[in-house]
Amino acid sequence: NAGVMQNPRHLVRRRGQEARLRCSPMKGHSHVYWYRQLPEEGLKFMVYLQKENIIDESGMPKERFSAEFPKEGPSILRIQQVVRGDSAAYFCASSPITVNGNTIYFGEGSWLTVV
Amino acid sequence: GESVGLHLPTLSVQEGDNSIINCAYSNSASDYFIWYKQESGKGPQFIIDIRSNMDKRQGQRVTVLLNKTVKHLSLQIAATQPGDSAVYFCAENEDNNNDMRFGAGTRLTVKP
Repeated sequence: NAGVMQNPRHLVRRRGQEARLRCSPMKGHSHVYWYRQLPEEGLKFMVYLQKENIIDESGMPKERFSAEFPKEGPSILRIQQVVRGDSAAYFCASSPITVNGNTIYFGEGSWLTVV
Repeated sequence: GESVGLHLPTLSVQEGDNSIINCAYSNSASDYFIWYKQESGKGPQFIIDIRSNMDKRQGQRVTVLLNKTVKHLSLQIAATQPGDSAVYFCAENEDNNNDMRFGAGTRLTVKP
């Protein structure tokens, strides 16, 4: 049973370019979460999605960041016009039902470097 | 603001000793807690969880203790091994929140 799959694992972008990070949840999981982690820091919640719905985006920056989880295919975290401060590890997690009182399982992360 | 934090940012132990990693939380409404282990370059790995109606839970070589009175959580690792070297995060969730809140982490180093 495959775990949460993220790609690319490493991505380098120049300032002003777009970054697209993909996440396929565990089989049977319909809830996806995106977190960002800066070096030597904890994980910061960004967004929570179910299929075709954004449930909670309270942790998403107001500009340049967007996320989707279409009916078919992986969840996508999109960062437009990247800046150096966007350099971080982006982790996706999934759960079969809501996180409230239930474990979420993480992927191996996508490391974005903006040069 | 409300936060999840850790008392010790680093911890170094001898192989074979027991390790105790501590975590303080400030949201008294939190009712679910998880410990994760994160090795360098990898994603967080679930270790053990505990709900607020319990004060202790044991796994394989690990025990989590929850003291709701002082809002304190600890992870005990018995007979620590070199493979236990990693950053350990506690995370908490309140029933009406959609996210897990993570502390900054404690780096555990096991000396052979």
